[in-house]
Amino acid sequence: GQQVMQIPQYQHVQEGEDFTTYCNSSTTLSNIQWYKQRPGGHPVFLIQLVKSGEVKKQKRLTFQFGEAKKNSSLHITATQTTDVGTYFCAGRKAGKSTFGDGTTLTVKP
Amino acid sequence: ETGVTQTPRHLVMGMTNKKSLKCEQHLGHNAMYWYKQSAKKPLELMFVYSLEERVENNSVPSRFSPECPNSSHLFLHLHTLQPEDSALYLCASSQDRGVAGGWTGELFFGEGSRLTVL
Repeated sequence: GQQVMQIPQYQHVQEGEDFTTYCNSSTTLSNIQWYKQRPGGHPVFLIQLVKSGEVKKQKRLTFQFGEAKKNSSLHITATQTTDVGTYFCAGRKAGKSTFGDGTTLTVKP
Repeated sequence: ETGVTQTPRHLVMGMTNKKSLKCEQHLGHNAMYWYKQSAKKPLELMFVYSLEERVENNSVPSRFSPECPNSSHLFLHLHTLQPEDSALYLCASSQDRGVAGGWTGELFFGEGSRLTVL
């Protein structure tokens, strides 16, 4: 079955440092979505990538979809304490969606 | 406020109890989902309903029984659960653009129902 692996599982950074989480699928995806879940909260949609090689930016967040549509990354520039939480990718193929296990980010002020 | 409301927010039940979780979405979406979130598996899809028909059931034990009476409401009936079923149960909805099964748009999650089975 479809598997979506996400690394790292945890990342601790000093405020101001950059952060990247990677998502890798065992199969080619139709699209990929990214969600953020704050501590004690629920997942909130961030973005969807559809095209091969697509790059999208949201302020300090940069999302990429690989050329083969099997991997994706989320990069945060100059992290802030408000960035803490767990970031999930969700890959979709053949009508089915699979979430990665998430990367939990902590930011030390 | 996400437009998806879950009740109760917290539930403690014994292994012989019967209880139900309720989800209501006010977004006009036509697909609804139940996810289980635990330390073991952060986001595990349980059931998908599209246009009120169950289109996905991910090998969930029969002690969990979903019900979707209309496109705005989704229930998860719980019966003779085990302590390992303790988790956060998240409901979500999306606008399915007609592809059979699953979703094509973003998921809107409720705040979840925290279940503890004693």
